[in-house]
Formats: sequence, C-alpha cells, structure tokens
Amino acid sequence: AQSVTQLGSHVSVSEGALVLLRCNYSSSVPPYLFWYVQYPNQGLQLLLKYTSAATLVKGINGFEAEFKKSETSFHLTKPSAHMSDAAEYFCAVSDRLKTSYDKVIFGPGTSLSVIP
Amino acid sequence: DGGITQSPKYLFRKEGQNVTLSCEQNLNHDAMYWYRQDPGQGLRLIYYSQIVNDFQKGDIAEGYSVSREKKESFPLTVTSAQKNPTAFYLCASSARGRAYGYTFGSGTRLTVV
Repeated sequence: AQSVTQLGSHVSVSEGALVLLRCNYSSSVPPYLFWYVQYPNQGLQLLLKYTSAATLVKGINGFEAEFKKSETSFHLTKPSAHMSDAAEYFCAVSDRLKTSYDKVIFGPGTSLSVIP
Repeated sequence: DGGITQSPKYLFRKEGQNVTLSCEQNLNHDAMYWYRQDPGQGLRLIYYSQIVNDFQKGDIAEGYSVSREKKESFPLTVTSAQKNPTAFYLCASSARGRAYGYTFGSGTRLTVV
C-alpha cells in the first residue's frame, strides 16, 4: 500500500536560513505529489503539486520542491525562511493506479518553527 | 470566489448530545471528505463521498454519520456513540481525477463540555 513519510516531526530554522522539509513515498510507480501548509486553527492550503511535468515545481510563498524518482523523494525547500513560514507542513500522495476512489494519503506532518 | 465553508468555527457539545458540522462547497466538485485532526496524529479520514446520495466509511467512521443529498453539501453528525469527539474537523473536496488534490475548509473545532 502507498505510504508517505516525513522525516522530522519538528524542524527549527533561523530567519533567513534555508528551509528543507523532507518527504518520501513508497510506491514503485511515481504518484502525484502534493505539499500543503496549515496555519494554527486553519485548514490546509495547497503549496504546490507534482503531476509529471517538470521535476522542479514552484509553489506559492517562495517554496519549491524537486521530484527525484531514484530517491522516491519530494523534498520542500525555501531559500530564506520568514517568520510567517512558521506552520505545519503536510506531504501527500495520490496513486496513478486505479483504486476505489481518488484517495490522497497524507504524511504525519512537520511543524516548522522560525527563530528570529 | 469559490471555496469550502465550514460552520461553525467553534462548537461545544454536552455529553450524550449529537451535533452536526456543516460543510458547503461552490467549486462544483464531485467528491467530498471529512477528516479528524488530533495533536500529533495528522489527518484521519472519517467519511468520503464521490457522488450525490453515496458515501463510504473511512478509517475512523464509528460514532459519526454523514449524508450527501446535494452536490454542494456534506454535513457530518458526531453522535453520542463517539466517545472522544474533542478534535479539529476538516472538510475537503476535489474534482474527479487524482492530479487535482484537495481543497480544504477552514475547520471546526469541537469541544466536549
């Protein structure tokens, strides 16, 4: 069964430093891949998605992610962290293979703290 | 603007009481979902619906019920059978097809008093 892992339940970075949030998926067939952000007491917002076009995907708020098939990874990066980036980040996958419904599987999430 | 509206934002339930959480979307999406979020446990799927008048249990459906009488609406009832209902509830919708991902509402925080 498809699964997604996020290394590090909590990541702290200094303001202005590189943000790197890790995501790995399990399937042998590259899935559709998504990153979502959740601010406190709010719903999830789509940051970016990979659907098989360019392997480097640019999203909102200066974030980008690179799909690496050989590493089954889809890590999220941002060159310079801002205080407003502090939030929970979820990686998600959706199989390209037919199953009973259009299921999206969410990772456990990574909480990002930005230190002034 | 199109989106998903969840109401109320905050809800308090007494022991033994049923409560209903509202979820409405104007995105013309076929599929709708309910998730429960607890601290440190990520998102857990309660129910989903791919089409009007049809819905399926997710991973933690016990103590919950749903209906899908209209494409735009997917209300969730938390029944008295749900022993630990205090949580943050998220509704989502999606167009058919796996490449679209989900659009989420802003959530309802339910607390048992």
